[in-house]
Amino acid sequence: DAKTTQPNSMESNEEEPVHLPCNHSTISGTDYIHWYRQLPSQGPEYVIHGLTSNVNNRMASLAIAEDRKSSTLILHRATLRDAAVYYCILVVGGSNYKLTFGKGTLLTVNP
Amino acid sequence: GAVVSQHPSWVICKSGTSVKIECRSLDFQATTMFWYRQFPKQSLMLMATSNEGSKATYEQGVEKDKFLINHASLTLSTLTVTSAHPEDSSFYICSAREGTVNTEAFFGQGTRLTVV
Repeated sequence: DAKTTQPNSMESNEEEPVHLPCNHSTISGTDYIHWYRQLPSQGPEYVIHGLTSNVNNRMASLAIAEDRKSSTLILHRATLRDAAVYYCILVVGGSNYKLTFGKGTLLTVNP
Repeated sequence: GAVVSQHPSWVICKSGTSVKIECRSLDFQATTMFWYRQFPKQSLMLMATSNEGSKATYEQGVEKDKFLINHASLTLSTLTVTSAHPEDSSFYICSAREGTVNTEAFFGQGTRLTVV
């Protein structure tokens, strides 16, 4: 499975934007970039995913580098409820679909 | 978004007994379901992948005779931990996705299993 590298932890202040980086230098042309987050004692929650173009939804934005070797999850205005572990995952589509979680980034949001 | 319901949320069982955990997709048909295990302060570890009507595909190192997975319908998958031991105590999480093209997966709320 293609691997991703994320910082172990990041800190942000409430109401400020947060940029969570992810490196995936071995990404292949058919790998999708998925982001999930997990709050304590809960199952993960889907955040966003993309292939080549930047993506926006109500939760976040995903900025994908032109060479696709890195991406950034953007939370436009962090709230205390955004404190979670964020996982960047490369997903092969089709019948070989599999979500393999790495260690993720623990985001702390300060009031 | 789509809802995946997992039951029970927590369970305590005696060593040597079996425990069944249910995972239901409430508003979509789950062509594929996944089962994960998570130990404290660790990431999720994929245990197995199951497609409706087919046998589950287990990850390396996961005992298929101990962790029985059934995916009998498009909305229900079950994980049975047989002859549970204290080392099986963990947070078990299911996930489901719809369709065969690249789509997001949705997760249950998890089941905390404690074996005493």
